[in-house]
Amino acid sequence: DQQVKQNSPSLSVQEGRISILNCDYTNSMFDYFLWYKKYPAEGPTFLISISSIKDKNEDGRFTVFLNKSAKHLSLHIVPSQPGDSAVYFCAANTGNQFYFGTGTSLTVIP
Amino acid sequence: GAVVSQHPSWVICKSGTSVKIECRSLDFQATTMFWYRQFPKQSLMLMATSNEGSKATYEQGVEKDKFLINHASLTLSTLTVTSAHPEDSSFYICSAREARRNTGELFFGEGSRLTVL
Repeated sequence: DQQVKQNSPSLSVQEGRISILNCDYTNSMFDYFLWYKKYPAEGPTFLISISSIKDKNEDGRFTVFLNKSAKHLSLHIVPSQPGDSAVYFCAANTGNQFYFGTGTSLTVIP
Repeated sequence: GAVVSQHPSWVICKSGTSVKIECRSLDFQATTMFWYRQFPKQSLMLMATSNEGSKATYEQGVEKDKFLINHASLTLSTLTVTSAHPEDSSFYICSAREARRNTGELFFGEGSRLTVL
């Protein structure tokens, strides 16, 4: 049972434009939501998180939006840079349980 | 940010041998560490949750006798793949959660690529 879903396996965006990565979840009891960036053959790198009591968190070029009624969160990257090209995983946390989506491969075209 | 170090990053072994992978939290204490396995073009698959000073909790379908996990201290967890076979070849990643923080953040090691010949 996939509790966290990333329905877009890939996304291509022009450099300088906005990248929007989406994630849906099923469990309304999650406490935190997180986004990770992963390069091939490396461990995921934490990007940004958001508490379930908030609807927006911003850190530099990265903003995460949480829509609890829709059980949906998104990561906005603006402006997108070629170095942002990677696989992005969203994750949801409750207690010691972490659930990961299947990832979205972002390609930023120079 | 918090640093989690994994070693070795790359290991090749013969079928039937055992391989140990270490996961260390370098600048924080981690009461809980997690071990994941990633197959090509797939998401992270949680194998087990490692709790300091107690037995690991294994996910369904993961053989605890094959994947031995030890979490002897607040900064070190080890995964030993026993009697490795080619189908065990994979990318193994550990992660750790800082004991005294409750922000939901999970920090990952660099991963270990295991190739069993």
